Amino acid sequence: DTGVSQNPRHKITKRGQNVTFRCDPISEHNRLYWYRQTLGQGPEFLTYFQNEAQLEKSRLLSDRFSAERPKGSFSTLEIQRTEQGDSAMYLCASSLRPRGRGGTGMIVAETQYFGPGTRLLVL
Amino acid sequence: QKEVEQDPGPLSVPEGAIVSLNCTYSNSAFQYFMWYRQYSRKGPELLMYTYSSGNKEDGRFTAQVDKSSKYISLFIRDSQPSDSATYLCAMSDDRGSTLGRLYFGRGTQLTVWP
Repeated sequence: DTGVSQNPRHKITKRGQNVTFRCDPISEHNRLYWYRQTLGQGPEFLTYFQNEAQLEKSRLLSDRFSAERPKGSFSTLEIQRTEQGDSAMYLCASSLRPRGRGGTGMIVAETQYFGPGTRLLVL
Repeated sequence: QKEVEQDPGPLSVPEGAIVSLNCTYSNSAFQYFMWYRQYSRKGPELLMYTYSSGNKEDGRFTAQVDKSSKYISLFIRDSQPSDSATYLCAMSDDRGSTLGRLYFGRGTQLTVWP
């Protein structure tokens, strides 16, 4: 399977514990995104990396959240001192930043491919 | 007010019906518009994307963008029970040749019954 993979798929933890999720993007994809999705809502952007550089962080990403992509390949998202409000599906997506324009001169948009998500429940 | 508004439904139609899904948005900087399909407990998968205004057709799916009204639509012809899923609209502003972060609607839950 060459898609985006995420581990674990499910995590149940007690309030106050730390949790860490892992995302393995599609091979050679240089961009990696983290989103959070709560029940009945669309995904909300958390942060993204281009290679190993973290280029943008959402206001949703409080100081209890930290994300890394140390070698520009897989990424980890850690939540410290979890709260019940952190219960959600954490989605990872990857894309390949296009180099310039396509053959027709049109802007070539990148496509974000999503993983299956990690479902977190904080008790 | 959220930047992207989408009626959550649920929407229930018989097999073979034409389905119309819509989103409105407030940020005039959005240039890229996408529709994702999400099955229960799965990640979203990209169905269609369009750049700026216009129509795009792919099989039974047609995406329309009206930037003057800040309104996008997805039409599904000859709907099938396998189309039953949540449909998410997503959009992004123009950052040169990249998409960057996506702004999603809350999704419309569709059920197609045989």
